Amino acid sequence: NAGVTQTPKFRILKIGQSMTLQCTQDMNHNYMYWYRQDPGMGLKLIYYSVGAGITDKGEVPNGYNVSRSTTEDFPLRLELAAPSQTSVYFCASSYSKDGYEQYFGPGTRLTVT
Amino acid sequence: KNEVEQSPQNLTAQEGEFITINCSYSVGISALHWLQQHPGGGIVSLFMLSSGKKKHGRLIATINIQEKHSSLHITASHPRDSAVYICAVYGGSQGNLIFGKGTKLSVKP
Repeated sequence: NAGVTQTPKFRILKIGQSMTLQCTQDMNHNYMYWYRQDPGMGLKLIYYSVGAGITDKGEVPNGYNVSRSTTEDFPLRLELAAPSQTSVYFCASSYSKDGYEQYFGPGTRLTVT
Repeated sequence: KNEVEQSPQNLTAQEGEFITINCSYSVGISALHWLQQHPGGGIVSLFMLSSGKKKHGRLIATINIQEKHSSLHITASHPRDSAVYICAVYGGSQGNLIFGKGTKLSVKP
């Protein structure tokens, strides 16, 4: 099993550009998450999904969108990139929520200049 | 006040030392997670516990639910233990994981 995979690993965007961060898991997990990690800060939840077709906002959703058309894929869309979105983004998945381990992807380092 | 507080923020140790990292939380939980983030950036789950103590190799995690406190211990530390250790608990209005800021551990040979 590949676990949770993310692409790209690195990306530099200009202000106002858009992009999609890809996330795929092959563990048949229902729950998927997008986090951002800023220097010196704990991981913050952007969006999460409890199954195909169901998504919900996390703590810091502004400037992002998600979709979940399949169990495996959970892409994160950045529209009109801003310097404040410079961060490391992690996708994670779990079988269920409370009491279940989350499996993390390798992360995407995004710089917006 | 952060809902999950870790101490210390940074820790430097000599190889072989016994290490303790602390986590205090203010939200009610059913499970607490300890995660490890290596310099390369990847995050892996070390422990998930809701009571008592768990041990895996040289790592031991304990939790005191009444005091809302958990500790991660590393015995006979080694340079390869150098990483950021992150505590996380379920809480908040949506019941999702809330993460501490992490403890950066550096073990010198």
